[in-house]
Order: sequence, then structure tokens, then C-alpha cells
Amino acid sequence: AQTVTQSQPEMSVQEAETVTLSCTYDTSESNYYLFWYKQPPSRQMILVIRQEAYKQQNATENRFSVNFQKAAKSFSLKISDSQLGDTAMYFCAFRGVPYSGAGSYQLTFGKGTKLSVIP
Amino acid sequence: DTGVSQDPRHKITKRGQNVTFRCDPISEHNRLYWYRQTLGQGPEFLTYFQNEAQLEKSRLLSDRFSAERPKGSFSTLEIQRTEQGDSAMYLCASSLISGSTDTQYFGPGTRLTVL
Repeated sequence: AQTVTQSQPEMSVQEAETVTLSCTYDTSESNYYLFWYKQPPSRQMILVIRQEAYKQQNATENRFSVNFQKAAKSFSLKISDSQLGDTAMYFCAFRGVPYSGAGSYQLTFGKGTKLSVIP
Repeated sequence: DTGVSQDPRHKITKRGQNVTFRCDPISEHNRLYWYRQTLGQGPEFLTYFQNEAQLEKSRLLSDRFSAERPKGSFSTLEIQRTEQGDSAMYLCASSLISGSTDTQYFGPGTRLTVL
């Protein structure tokens, strides 16, 4: 079974600064997808960024980028130029690729990191 | 393009009562997922459908839980004889198969409180 660990329950960052959220995972699969989702207070979960394990290039989406280290099973999220609207819970999630082994389409989530952006 | 919608947004019930939640996925999305999220935790998978077929169920889905997607469009999740431990946010997500890509888009959730 896959596990996802987010070791930082809470973090804070000054507006306009950069912050990195950590995520590690454990799997025996060779191909899979990794995601970061954002859940603002009392609002629905939104996809931030997605990484395919067979792609070595790190994914980027505007101010959001990842550092994907497949051998270390690490998948951190960097938020540049932090904005007040970035205040939210951030969840790291794993999804296998069923045709490559015993994977499943379900997402396995970490416990989340609560990020507060301070004005 | 409307997103995933869920109804109701909040439900308060007494222990032992039955409750039913509805999820309307993004139009033309052929996969639909149910997750449960308790306070301070990440969502946990319950079950998923591809079109009208229920293809996977978690061991978290006890006999008191049943999910349907009769016409491959909206889905319902019913909990019978609710218990206080069922209090949680129930999230629905949908996705469209495209190769091996399957990005799930979430609805706002239904928050269930069992008294």
C-alpha cells in the first residue's frame, strides 16, 4: 500500500516571500502520478500541480513549482511570491497507474500542511 | 463549464437515521469518486465508478454505506443507521479518462454531523 507523509503540520510565510512544503511517499510502483491540492478555508479542494513520475522535468504552474526526487521519493512544493490567497491547507497526493502493476485510480493523501501567509 | 456540485452542503442528523448525499460530476466525466475527510486529516478513498459500474470499494465502506450511479451521471451515497463516527466531510470528485491521465476535480463536499 502507498503512504504519503507531510511532516510539517503548519507553516507560515511573509507575503511576497518563498516557501517550500515537504512531502515524501512510499511505493513499490515504478510509474505513478503525484499531486498537490489546495483547500482554502471552507472552500473546495483545487488542483495546484501534477507530476508524472516518468518525467524527469519538474512541473511548474506560474508561481508554483515542484522538486521531484524519484530515488528519494520526495515531492516538495515551492510557492514563490506568496500571496494572501495562498493561505490554505495543502495536501500532497499519490495515484498509481493500474496498467503498470497493482496500482489503483484512488488518490492517497497526506495529512496536509496548513499554510498561513502573513501580510 | 460548471464544476462538481454536491447536495446538501450540510446535514445534521440524529444517530440511527439514514442520510443520502448527491453528487453531480463535471459534464462528460466518466469517473466519479467518493472520499471522506475527518478533521485534521487528508481525504480517504471510499469508492469509485467508471460510468455506472462501481469498480473499487475501500474497506472503509462498511455495509451501512451504499453508493450508486444509475445512469453514469450523478451519484448518490447513502449511509444507513448513522453513527457518531460517521461525522465527516464527504467529498465527491470526477475525472475524464485520457490515456493514463486521470486528474480528479473535487466538489465542495457535504459536511455530515451525527448527534
